[in-house]
Amino acid sequence: AQSVTQPDIHITVSEGASLELRCNYSYGATPYLFWYVQSPGQGLQLLLKYFSGDTLVQGIKGFEAEFKRSQSSFNLRKPSVHWSDAAEYFCAVGPMDSNYQLIWGAGTKLIIKP
Amino acid sequence: DGGITQSPKYLFRKEGQNVTLSCEQNLNHDAMYWYRQDPGQGLRLIYYSQIVNDFQKGDIAEGYSVSREKKESFPLTVTSAQKNPTAFYLCASSPLTSGGEQFFGPGTRLTVL
Repeated sequence: AQSVTQPDIHITVSEGASLELRCNYSYGATPYLFWYVQSPGQGLQLLLKYFSGDTLVQGIKGFEAEFKRSQSSFNLRKPSVHWSDAAEYFCAVGPMDSNYQLIWGAGTKLIIKP
Repeated sequence: DGGITQSPKYLFRKEGQNVTLSCEQNLNHDAMYWYRQDPGQGLRLIYYSQIVNDFQKGDIAEGYSVSREKKESFPLTVTSAQKNPTAFYLCASSPLTSGGEQFFGPGTRLTVL
């Protein structure tokens, strides 16, 4: 079955520390991969996406993600988090032959300690 | 500015009443989606539409209905048949081209009293 797993429901990180949010997927073929961010009570904003090519993808707000085919993972990283990064982060995967029916992870809530 | 608008931001209804959530986009996207979001469950697809006057059920369509009379608009009706309608509802749109990411509106929080 196709699925996306974000193992961490919550992560607490000190401001200025590095961050890694995990995303693992189960899919029949190499999918498109996305990371979205959601501030409380808001819609989702795309941080970055992977379609093909370089497996290290740069996104907005200083985020990057690395696609590891052998591990079926697409982990999100940031070298130094800011208090404004506190939000919920969602990983999603989708088929290469269409753009609908994305499969979503349950999300990871990022808490920033001052 | 191009984007997706959802109205209202907050909506309160009595149990047994139908309610319609608005979603409008000016991104010229062909595809539109409705998601339901509950705490700890991520996003679940209710309905999607790829073309005017056509739409398909998603994973949790029971108790919901949609229409797509215009490319820009994709309203969602939460009917009295929906057993637990209190949730955060998100509308999204995307181009039809493969890999086109979905763009989201700000959401509507529906509370049924």
